[in-house]
Amino acid sequence: DVKVTQSSRYLVKRTGEKVFLECVQDMDHENMFWYRQDPGLGLRLIYFSYDVKMKEKGDIPEGYSVSREKKERFSLILESASTNQTSMYLCASSFRGLAKKDEQFFGPGTRLTVL
Amino acid sequence: DQQVKQNSPSLSVQEGRISILNCDYTNSMFDYFLWYKKYPAEGPTFLISISSIKDKNEDGRFTVFLNKSAKHLSLHIVPSQPGDSAVYFCAASSNAGNMLTFGGGTRLMVKP
Repeated sequence: DVKVTQSSRYLVKRTGEKVFLECVQDMDHENMFWYRQDPGLGLRLIYFSYDVKMKEKGDIPEGYSVSREKKERFSLILESASTNQTSMYLCASSFRGLAKKDEQFFGPGTRLTVL
Repeated sequence: DQQVKQNSPSLSVQEGRISILNCDYTNSMFDYFLWYKKYPAEGPTFLISISSIKDKNEDGRFTVFLNKSAKHLSLHIVPSQPGDSAVYFCAASSNAGNMLTFGGGTRLMVKP
């Protein structure tokens, strides 16, 4: 069974704080993703990584950065948290091959509140 | 501009009846479509997919229909069960990469 874990289920931070969200997958997937989920907007891609030390901007990268130093781990960083970054953050991973190439496996999510 | 749209934010259905969830897309480069199901406090889980070379894919109680000319797909659940109550997301991708574009989601409530 594929397992994607996220470091925290709930997090409360203050405006201006630096925030780290960690994600680990155990299936040797090449691709890893960070999304945020907001009501009515679905899942929006923040950043994507297809290999160690590689990253690609998604649809809403502003205010975020990422780090992928090891294949199994993908970190999302909020350099200076703001109230409009209050959201549910979801990490996902997938194979890069052709078979079921687009099926992504998600972690349970981190509910971040910025006060 | 949302490339994948789910115009119904919620749907309520009686247990045993059919649930039909709809999804529209605008990008003609999309060639693979997926449905995900999400329970509260859990991440989305893959439900069913369809390639653009097909117009129907069935898996047990779940069937996805694709109408390429209308750029429309739908998910049918028959018969609906209370455990199907969740938020359903439609997603699409193109050959260009492994990224998915998601719709806004439809909350399905199946009443006993």
